[in-house]
Amino acid sequence: GAGVSQSPSNKVTEKGKDVELRCDPISGHTALYWYRQSLGQGLEFLIYFQGNSAPDKSGLPSDRFSAERTGGSVSTLTIQRTQQEDSAVYLCASSPTGTSGRIGADTQYFGPGTRLTVL
Amino acid sequence: AQSVTQLDSHVSVSEGTPVLLRCNYSSSYSPSLFWYVQHPNKGLQLLLKYTSAATLVKGINGFEAEFKKSETSFHLTKPSAHMSDAAEYFCVVSDRGGGFKTIFGAGTRLFVKA
Repeated sequence: GAGVSQSPSNKVTEKGKDVELRCDPISGHTALYWYRQSLGQGLEFLIYFQGNSAPDKSGLPSDRFSAERTGGSVSTLTIQRTQQEDSAVYLCASSPTGTSGRIGADTQYFGPGTRLTVL
Repeated sequence: AQSVTQLDSHVSVSEGTPVLLRCNYSSSYSPSLFWYVQHPNKGLQLLLKYTSAATLVKGINGFEAEFKKSETSFHLTKPSAHMSDAAEYFCVVSDRGGGFKTIFGAGTRLFVKA
């Protein structure tokens, strides 16, 4: 079946411009996560959506970052007034939360990522 | 608050020799622990996970990890390395403390020499 997809695969933008990154989770997955992976770094948690609950935004690095999830499916991560330090690979993952019986215990399925370069 | 430390940024082994990738964690709650692998130009893939069942967890491609609560460790091992194991490996802790959080370690890059 189809996995998690992300678009675009690569995005080059100029400093100060806004960008939107899209994530299509696996159909039926209730949980969706965004992470950022900077060069040579591990994954940095950004935001988590679970069903209709309020998202956990505690990982967003600044108010220039926002994300929404429409209809419990597709998610868009928006970065306003991009800065060079925003350059990274942005990864999206989804999971069928609840199948393991424990919050946080479900396998996350990752998309291929969007490589963002801010010039 | 939870945290995860991967003790080695790089590990180099010869093909056919054992692999040990070390991970220590901190969690105020009963955590779930995972190992993910990222091959070059490929997405992250789950290797194995621990969720309070058996402490010795077997994963794909011959990898396994043992949850040791007394040592707060979740080291990843494989008896015999294969060239295709060369990749970046991430140890992950997840718990429900203060809301949901998933924390990734910084990663360990595994090199396998012929």
